[in-house]
Amino acid sequence: GESVGLHLPTLSVQEGDNSIINCAYSNSASDYFIWYKQESGKGPQFIIDIRSNMDKRQGQRVTVLLNKTVKHLSLQIAATQPGDSAVYFCAEKESGTASKLTFGTGTRLQVTL
Amino acid sequence: DTGVSQDPRHKITKRGQNVTFRCDPISEHNRLYWYRQTLGQGPEFLTYFQNEAQLEKSRLLSDRFSAERPKGSFSTLEIQRTEQGDSAMYLCASSSRTGESYNEQFFGPGTRLTVL
Repeated sequence: GESVGLHLPTLSVQEGDNSIINCAYSNSASDYFIWYKQESGKGPQFIIDIRSNMDKRQGQRVTVLLNKTVKHLSLQIAATQPGDSAVYFCAEKESGTASKLTFGTGTRLQVTL
Repeated sequence: DTGVSQDPRHKITKRGQNVTFRCDPISEHNRLYWYRQTLGQGPEFLTYFQNEAQLEKSRLLSDRFSAERPKGSFSTLEIQRTEQGDSAMYLCASSSRTGESYNEQFFGPGTRLTVL
């Protein structure tokens, strides 16, 4: 079936650098995308979302970019901090469906001092 | 804390036993979801409620699994005759619906099930 995937399973960055986490999705019918952060032993925590009628959205220290042409989503974290260390998932929702999110397998972000 | 809560946080059971998990969504969220997450994987959708109505179920939800949300508030997920393959983290999420807008799902801490 269609699924959300990630290019890099582990990303290591130095504290203070910017991080970019990428995600490729395959369902062209998806109209809503979310990035979640998950720390060990905890549930996923909402970071930022974007609808398919947008190509960029900014939050506090985070920016999500959506390229529908190549079905690519990215999460940019500015000035990465040790507290950003976690697994990051992108998720998509198919247009016309009520709710179901399809998640990828995740990228682990390791912040080194 | 007004977030999504789940109980218990951990459950260890023997194969063949029945288990039940509870989820309390964020107050006034009318949508509630159950997901399952195995180690190293992203959450997989199991089922979804709008108020008390169960509107969607995944093929992953075998006949040993049943979920309810009788009063449109808390929900329970029951697994009968547990199998070792049921070992996973069971996540609950809730969201609100504003007109036709889709709002983000907020997740609870999960219930980690270990079937021996």
